[in-house]
Amino acid sequence: DIQMTQSPSSLSASVGDRVTITCRASQSISSFLNWYQQKLGKAPKLLIYAASSLQSGVPSRFSGSGSGTDFTLTISSLQPEDFATYYCQQSYSTPSTFGQGTKLEIK
Amino acid sequence: QLQLQESGPGLVKPSGTLSLTCTVSGGSISSSTYYWGWIRQPPGKGLEWIGSIYYSWSTYYNPSLKGRVTISLDTSKNQFSLQLSSVTAADTAVYYCARRGRASNPQLGGDFDYWGQGTLVTVSS
Repeated sequence: DIQMTQSPSSLSASVGDRVTITCRASQSISSFLNWYQQKLGKAPKLLIYAASSLQSGVPSRFSGSGSGTDFTLTISSLQPEDFATYYCQQSYSTPSTFGQGTKLEIK
Repeated sequence: QLQLQESGPGLVKPSGTLSLTCTVSGGSISSSTYYWGWIRQPPGKGLEWIGSIYYSWSTYYNPSLKGRVTISLDTSKNQFSLQLSSVTAADTAVYYCARRGRASNPQLGGDFDYWGQGTLVTVSS
C-alpha cells in the first residue's frame, strides 16, 4: 500500500493567516492526490482534486499544488469556518489511502 | 442535488455480520460515469477506504479486510450495500457511503465528491 504522511499533525493559526499543509506519498503518485476538509461530526468534504483543481463551490482561498511524492494544501487567508481537520488521499493505486489528518485549530 | 443516506443497525455482535445500505437520490447508481464506495472512520481516527462498486457490478476491495467484505447493488431501489463479516471491536467506526467520480479507470484516479452523513456502527456484545 502507498503510505500518505501529512505534516504537521496539528497546527494553531489565527484568522487571516496563510497556512500550508504538506502531504508526502511513499512512492510517486503523479497528480492523483485529493484534499478533504472534515468538521467535527460531519462527513469529509472534497476541496481539491487531481492535486490542484478546485472543487466546484469551494472558496478560492484554498489551493493545491505538487506532483510525484510531495503535495501542499494552502489556505491563503484563514476564515473562522476553516478550522477543521484536513486529509489528503491518493487515488493512484488500489487500495486508495488517506493521510492521518492535520487538525487546524484557532490560536 | 445528489444525496446519499446510510442506514442499518447501529450495534452488531462480535463474530456477526455488519450490513449497511446506502440510498442514493438525485442521481442514478446505474450511471457508467461513477463508482460507489464505502469508507470508514474509527472514533477519533483517520479514514479507511473499504471498497467500491461499478454499475456493471465490478467490485474493488481493500485487501486489509481479508475477504470479509461484499459490496452489492440494488438498481431497482437505487441503493448499494455493504456487508462485513466476522466483525470484531476493531470494526467499530462511522461508516460513510460516497460517490467516486473523475476516475480514469477502476484502479486509477477519481475522488469522493458526494458523501452520506455517516452512521456509527458499534461492535459489542
